[in-house]
Amino acid sequence: DAGITQSPRHKVTETGTPVTLRCHQTENHRYMYWYRQDPGHGLRLIHYSYGVKDTDKGEVSDGYSVSRSKTEDFLLTLESATSSQTSVYFCAISALDREYNEQFFGPGTRLTVL
Amino acid sequence: AQSVTQLGSHVSVSEGALVLLRCNYSSSVPPYLFWYVQYPNQGLQLLLKYTSAATLVKGINGFEAEFKKSETSFHLTKPSAHMSDAAEYFCAVSDRDSGGYQKVTFGIGTKLQVIP
Repeated sequence: DAGITQSPRHKVTETGTPVTLRCHQTENHRYMYWYRQDPGHGLRLIHYSYGVKDTDKGEVSDGYSVSRSKTEDFLLTLESATSSQTSVYFCAISALDREYNEQFFGPGTRLTVL
Repeated sequence: AQSVTQLGSHVSVSEGALVLLRCNYSSSVPPYLFWYVQYPNQGLQLLLKYTSAATLVKGINGFEAEFKKSETSFHLTKPSAHMSDAAEYFCAVSDRDSGGYQKVTFGIGTKLQVIP
């Protein structure tokens, strides 16, 4: 298994509070991604990073920000959590920027916003 | 933009029966296609991928998929279902975004139930 951990694995928070999710990798892969998984939608890309301090938005980036100050860590912040952000969040990594390259996924973080 | 459509959000098969999970893609260029599997409370893991080298792709756990350009399909099959195959399966297509970086688009997923 690729060395990807996510923390916390479960979190319950209240509407309006900031939340930060962490993704940590030991593979030294350059590319990192944050997805959310919701029934009926599959996985949708929130943000991605193609190197330290290099990040870009995905298709559902509103209400989220990211930071990557080290190769191994990619943080996802919900600036002011809303109930619509209740979801399962997955981090993924990839060694190569090639269309045929697969991504490796972390175990996920289940977030509930009350 | 490329996309994939998975027909059937839930599929049930008997143990030992054929597994067929359907995926159709839309693409203006030759696509790179993937099947991922997700077991309960876990992340996704790669089953197999199509990279244009061969139309019939073999993956892990006895699964295979055939790329059919004329049908724009990449259906996943397994001759004989096992109880351990119960999971959710995602078809995905990969291309480049406007910034030139790899972008993967996932289908909505198909949950496979295996009945003893």
